Amino acid sequence: DVVMTQSPLSLPVTLGQAASISCRSGQSLVHSDGNTYLNWFHQRPGQSPRRLIYKVSNRDSGVPDRFSGSGSGTDFTLTISRVEADDVGVYYCMQGTHWPSTFGPGTKVHIK
Amino acid sequence: EVQLLESGGGLVQRGGSLTLSCAASGFTFSRHAMTWVRQAPGEGLEWVSSLSENGNNMNYADAVKGRFIISRDNSRNTLYLQMHSLRVEDIATYYCVKGDFWSGFHFGTPGGDWGQGALVTVSS
Repeated sequence: DVVMTQSPLSLPVTLGQAASISCRSGQSLVHSDGNTYLNWFHQRPGQSPRRLIYKVSNRDSGVPDRFSGSGSGTDFTLTISRVEADDVGVYYCMQGTHWPSTFGPGTKVHIK
Repeated sequence: EVQLLESGGGLVQRGGSLTLSCAASGFTFSRHAMTWVRQAPGEGLEWVSSLSENGNNMNYADAVKGRFIISRDNSRNTLYLQMHSLRVEDIATYYCVKGDFWSGFHFGTPGGDWGQGALVTVSS
């Protein structure tokens, strides 16, 4: 299985400031069909995960443009341009290129 | 609006069995692969099993292979997970997830629609 790692695992943030989370995969996530299936999910305390980003940089419907994804190959980044209080929780990256899908360990974002 | 409603969670003794159900609405159920993802208390997300649209193709994580059975009833828009020989390490919230090909190449890759989860507890 493809191992996904994230850093940092805990991220204290200041409201209104930018924040970034790194995700790395053990193998390239470029599929032979030309797509790179790297997704980002956000899970608020007590809630189900919600997908924010698919295929590296595509935002899901309703996701604020404060959230952006970037990267290629094995290195990816989720950036929140201006953190709001509602952004706290755990962020997971997930690869869908190789079977089975695997998740990163999660990054807990909390307010300083 | 897509809705996925899990039921059937609860407390079971080690070695026992439990069946989870997921009632789907808001989309054409028979056209989508479906998946179960679990999350142990305080832990991360783990893919458990996926089932193709017609129910003919299924995959299982090694941790549950031979003990769990995924199935679906497209006439009832319902996904199931039969869990047998339950272990303490199976304690988790089990999420029903609609698969989509935006998230991944393989059928059942967890997509953007998740249920609220069903908690399974195993007593030792």
